[in-house]
Amino acid sequence: QQQVKQSPQSLIVQKGGISIINCAYENTAFDYFPWYQQFPGKGPALLIAIRPDVSEKKEGRFTISFNKSAKQFSLHIMDSQPGDSATYFCAASNTGTASKLTFGTGTRLQVTL
Amino acid sequence: ETGVTQSPTHLIKTRGQQVTLRCSSQSGHNTVSWYQQALGQGPQFIFQYYREEENGRGNFPPRFSGLQFPNYSSELNVNALELDDSALYLCASSLGLNSFYGYTFGSGTRLTVV
Repeated sequence: QQQVKQSPQSLIVQKGGISIINCAYENTAFDYFPWYQQFPGKGPALLIAIRPDVSEKKEGRFTISFNKSAKQFSLHIMDSQPGDSATYFCAASNTGTASKLTFGTGTRLQVTL
Repeated sequence: ETGVTQSPTHLIKTRGQQVTLRCSSQSGHNTVSWYQQALGQGPQFIFQYYREEENGRGNFPPRFSGLQFPNYSSELNVNALELDDSALYLCASSLGLNSFYGYTFGSGTRLTVV
C-alpha cells in the first residue's frame, strides 16, 4: 500500500524558474514530513522538513507548504539552478519510537540553461 | 565528522546465494536503519536497529536479517537471494529512535542478483 503519493514523476524547468513537487499522504498519524535530494550514485540527503503545526517552512530557495486538512504538502524550489538537477523524494513519518520514513516514488528534476 | 560509510559499493551475486552488506554509522549516532531502493523507486524500510536490538521491521521476509554491533555499526544479511533483490541498499544512521532527529544516509551498496 503506497501511503505517500508523489507527483510529477519528472519535471523540466528553465534556469531561474520555480520547481514545484507535490505529495499526498493517507496516514493521519504522520507528523514529520521531510524532503530528500538524491544525486546519481549517492544516498538521499535531507533538504528540508516540516512538522504539521506550521503551514510553511522556508530555508533559502527551498520552501515546504503544508495543508493538514487536505493531507498534502509540496516543495517549491525558487530560482531553480542546474545544480538542483536531481531526484527529489518526499517522505513522511510518525515520530514515535521505531519511527520509519515512508517515501514517495520520487521526482526527477532537470533544470535547463 | 565522518558520514555513513557502506561497503561494498557494488556486488554481483547469483540467485540462491547469501550476501552481507556493511554499514558504519555517523559518529555519535546510535540508531541504524536499512532501506531497499529499487530502480526508479523510493527507498523502502527494511528494519531499524537501536542498541543492538531490532526495533521495527518493514514488509520484508525473514531471509532479510541484520545485526548492530556495540560500536553502532551494522550488517544486513540476505539469504537465498532472488532476482527481485537486485536494488540499492541504503543504510541510514540517526541520533536516536525518533525520526525527527533526521537521518544521514550512506551512498549505498548496489546489489545485482543474476
